[in-house]
Amino acid sequence: EVQLVESGGGLVKPGGSLRLSCAASGFTLSDASVNWVRQAPGKGLEWVGRVKRKIDGETIDYAPPVKDRFIISRDDSKNSLFLQMSSLKTEDTAVYYCTTGPAGFPLFGVIKRDYWGQGTLVTVSS
Amino acid sequence: AIQMTQSPSSLSASVGDRVTITCRASQAIRNDLAWYQQKPGKAPRLLIYIASSLQSGVPSRFSGSGSGTDFTLTISSLQPEDCATYFCLQDYDHLSFGGGTKVEI
Repeated sequence: EVQLVESGGGLVKPGGSLRLSCAASGFTLSDASVNWVRQAPGKGLEWVGRVKRKIDGETIDYAPPVKDRFIISRDDSKNSLFLQMSSLKTEDTAVYYCTTGPAGFPLFGVIKRDYWGQGTLVTVSS
Repeated sequence: AIQMTQSPSSLSASVGDRVTITCRASQAIRNDLAWYQQKPGKAPRLLIYIASSLQSGVPSRFSGSGSGTDFTLTISSLQPEDCATYFCLQDYDHLSFGGGTKVEI
């Protein structure tokens, strides 16, 4: 069964740092483009960044509000994705999801799409 | 960054009604558009990808159309379980979401 499980959320003061993890099971993470998406309380969805799949060059992209503050990395030995967040602001408060999104990836000869984790809450507050 | 303008922001309709939600991109995005449904406290669920392809397991009353800058999600016969917020998402250049449409019965 394909699963994504986020962890690492919590309460942090403005200016602080936090590292989120996204552990994948049931598929090889590097076979898919994987995104971080966040949702502030009562608000819409906001794309944070992604790492493209290995065959697309593993390019890493960021949304402008987090560029230069957040770093996405992947550890293939752990089949996990990470989001290192620094210089956190109150407006970074949100549930953070990792997701493969609408872009398909092959799994046992079938194209699969759109797996999401359960989300992890990050609260930035003094 | 590509901006996605979604309308309306909310709507109220009756069971059995035909419901249409639109999304406009700030520049042409071919057909690199997806539609999502989200219910409170849950992760979003993909309904439509590549503008008009129905995701596996999604009821056929959902359909998508459009290309370039203008896209539409249609629910042909609204059901009570369709009460949710709907988002469009472009993945032509990075990703960006529309603001969402809350659908109520």
